[in-house]
Parts: sequence; C-alpha cells; structure tokens
Amino acid sequence: SYVLTQPPSVSVAPGKTARITCGGNNIGSKSVHWYQQKPGQAPMLVIYYNSDRPSGIPERFSGSNSGNTATLTISRVEAGDEADYYCQVWDSSSDHLYVFGTGTKVTVL
Amino acid sequence: EVQLVESGGGLVKPGGSLRLSCAASGFTFSNAWMSWVRQAPGKGLEWVGRIKSKIDGGTTDYPAPVKDRFTISRDDSKNTLYLQMNSLKTEDTAVYYCTTLSPYYFDYWGQGTLVTVSS
Repeated sequence: SYVLTQPPSVSVAPGKTARITCGGNNIGSKSVHWYQQKPGQAPMLVIYYNSDRPSGIPERFSGSNSGNTATLTISRVEAGDEADYYCQVWDSSSDHLYVFGTGTKVTVL
Repeated sequence: EVQLVESGGGLVKPGGSLRLSCAASGFTFSNAWMSWVRQAPGKGLEWVGRIKSKIDGGTTDYPAPVKDRFTISRDDSKNTLYLQMNSLKTEDTAVYYCTTLSPYYFDYWGQGTLVTVSS
C-alpha cells in the first residue's frame, strides 16, 4: 500500500512562510491534493492537482510536487491558518484507492 | 451552495449494525460520485468507500478493513447517500464524513457524524 509521510508538526510566526511536506515514493508522478482541518471542523480542500486552488482559497496557499516530495506552502501566515493539514493521492495499485498522509499540525506562534 | 448533512451516528455494541445517511443538496446528486471518509478520535483521515454515479456504472469500492462489512448505496430520487455498517468493531469508532468525489479528490465534505462502538 502506498504510504504518504508528513512531519507531525510545523511552527511558524505570523507573516512568515510555512512549508508542509508530503513524502512518497515517486510522488511527483501522481497528483497531490491538500486539505485543511481546523479544530472541531470537517476537512476542507485547499489545493487540488498539485497546485490548483478551489474558489475562495487565498492565493497565499500554493502547492508543488516533484520527485519524492510534495509541498504545501502557506505565505504570510495568519492566526486563522492554524490547523491540521493532510495530503492525499489516488493510487490505483493500493487497496486504499485514496491514500491520506499522516497529517501535520501547523501552529502559529 | 453544496450541502452534505450526515445523520444516524450513535453508540452501538461490538458486532452490531448501524446505517448512516447523508442528505445532499446544491448540486446534481445523481451525476456525482460519492464517498465516505472516517477519522478515529485524535487520528488521521481514512477512506472508507466510494460509489460511482449510475451513469458511470453505480459500482462501489472499499478498502480491506471494511470490505464485506460496509455497504454504500444511494437513492438518487431522495438525493441521499447511505453507509450500512455491519459486524462493527471497536476500531470502527470514528467520525464519519460524507464527501463528493471529483473523482480523484474529495471536494465537498459534510460536518460528520460520530459512531462509537463500545460495550
């Protein structure tokens, strides 16, 4: 089964840039999607197909994907960005067709 | 506006059954692929299964942990998605989210319903 590894936590000061990585074997050959989950809320899609933003998601959220690592970048971090972030891929060879990363808690200092 | 509202969660004993419902609105439900995703307390997200639209075959897929125990169905006349859960185990305890599928990512999520499996 395909495995996606994320750092458990990332801390960032307001106004700075947060980078959340998602590691997987040759993940650059797959499309990566990202979700934000604030405490007590359902997850919300923030990036799809590596770097596309759904309507209503600020331009401060961007994504990239190459080699064995995909990255979600949050620029000019705000207090409201504090949340858990999950990456996700579709992998037809996995039992879990839809694979989620382990999740990263972003803390705004 | 897309809305997904889950219901049917609750406390059930190990070995028991439960059926979750998801009422959909704000989009053409009959054309949508739908899915369930769960989250155990304090844990990450896990895909539980999907159902394609009838025009795409209406077929279902499940991961091994729930295959042969969980069944997803849909009633397009009622804009409602279902998750029938049988032979429940304590490890099935989680918040269950109804989502739309596009078809490789989950674009809209409901607020979730909590299922607790405990004696």
